[in-house]
Amino acid sequence: GAGVSQTPSNKVTEKGKYVELRCDPISGHTALYWYRQSLGQGPEFLIYFQGTGAADDSGLPNDRFFAVRPEGSVSTLKIQRTERGDSAVYLCASSVSNQETQYFGPGTRLLVL
Amino acid sequence: EDKVVQSPLSLVVHEGDTVTLNCSYEVTNFRSLLWYKQEKKAPTFLFMLTSSGIEKKSGRLSSILDKKELFSILNITATQTGDSAVYLCAVDSGGSNYKLTFGKGTLLTVNP
Repeated sequence: GAGVSQTPSNKVTEKGKYVELRCDPISGHTALYWYRQSLGQGPEFLIYFQGTGAADDSGLPNDRFFAVRPEGSVSTLKIQRTERGDSAVYLCASSVSNQETQYFGPGTRLLVL
Repeated sequence: EDKVVQSPLSLVVHEGDTVTLNCSYEVTNFRSLLWYKQEKKAPTFLFMLTSSGIEKKSGRLSSILDKKELFSILNITATQTGDSAVYLCAVDSGGSNYKLTFGKGTLLTVNP
């Protein structure tokens, strides 16, 4: 079946702009995670959704970052007033439940100029 | 703070060689350890380990966990150029969020 999909694949923006990154999880997966991966590093946890609610947003670096999952399926990660340090690959993962294996999407590579 | 350390950070081998990748961890609680292969952007799932001493195997890849010594190894036998990738180790350290803590990865290059 279809895996996790993310759009766009690549996003180039200018410092100070607003961006939205989208994640379509595997159908039926209730748990959804966002991670951020900087060059040469492993992915770092940002936020976890169980259903529609953000069960844990402790990994969001600051209040410029926000994520939603209004219908318990698609999620959008929103970054306001982007900074050059936000440049990274943003990965989304989903799992059947929060105790099962997380499956990752292909990520969105964000470049802030 | 939860910590996952992988070694080596990079490795270059020739086709046909056998490689062993290492992962050690320090976490508050432990639920499972996972290995992923990352070729371009998407990490693809390889193994989930929860019990010590039980080897998981898939083709030429195998992995084992030692919960007493807090480490895991990933073995790849008869390496092929298609095995070239970053191999990521991650630990689910429990709690209500089930988030994964990742190591930096091992970059494996298999030359023909």
